[in-house]
Amino acid sequence: EAGVAQSPRYKIIEKRQSVAFWCNPISGHATLYWYQQILGQGPKLLIQFQNNGVVDDSQLPKDRFSAERLKGVDSTLKIQPAKLEDSAVYLCASSRLTGELFFGEGSRLTVL
Amino acid sequence: GENVEQHPSTLSVQEGDSAVIKCTYSDSASNYFPWYKQELGKGPQLIIDIRSNVGEKKDQRIAVTLNKTAKHFSLHITETQPEDSAVYFCAASKGGFKTIFGAGTRLFVKA
Repeated sequence: EAGVAQSPRYKIIEKRQSVAFWCNPISGHATLYWYQQILGQGPKLLIQFQNNGVVDDSQLPKDRFSAERLKGVDSTLKIQPAKLEDSAVYLCASSRLTGELFFGEGSRLTVL
Repeated sequence: GENVEQHPSTLSVQEGDSAVIKCTYSDSASNYFPWYKQELGKGPQLIIDIRSNVGEKKDQRIAVTLNKTAKHFSLHITETQPEDSAVYFCAASKGGFKTIFGAGTRLFVKA
């Protein structure tokens, strides 16, 4: 089965610009997650969707980050405006109800 | 809030030796404890997991133990090989809801 697809793999922007990341989860996985992984740290959950509803977004900086999951499949994560501290790898993951997360390869963001 | 602490941050072993990574969690309602391996430039990949109704689980050279009373769980890798070199993350969740990760352990296996 195809894995979790993410794009772009790499993005370099200047601070105060905007950026968007796209994720296509594994077919049939109802739950989708966006994690932020800063260099040398563990993944930090930003938002969790169940189908197209938000289950948890308590750690999403809502003044600059937004995410949506239309039709319960693909998802986009947007940052506007970006700050230097947003430089990180943005990981998308999906799962069934068992708990195992399947991760994509991530989108590496560099903010200059 | 919920927290998962992981030790050590770096671990260097000789090929063939064992490696042990330890984690503690704060939320007593956590009932699912996965371990992920992350190689350079890739997303984390599940290597083994354990649920709160089990104290120990083994899969070939990898084993995980869970002490619910102490809120501790550990990963044991025996007969380490150079290809085991990677970053390992422990995590905790409540039935897959809100999986919280530790900070990671960078394992080096020297040939």
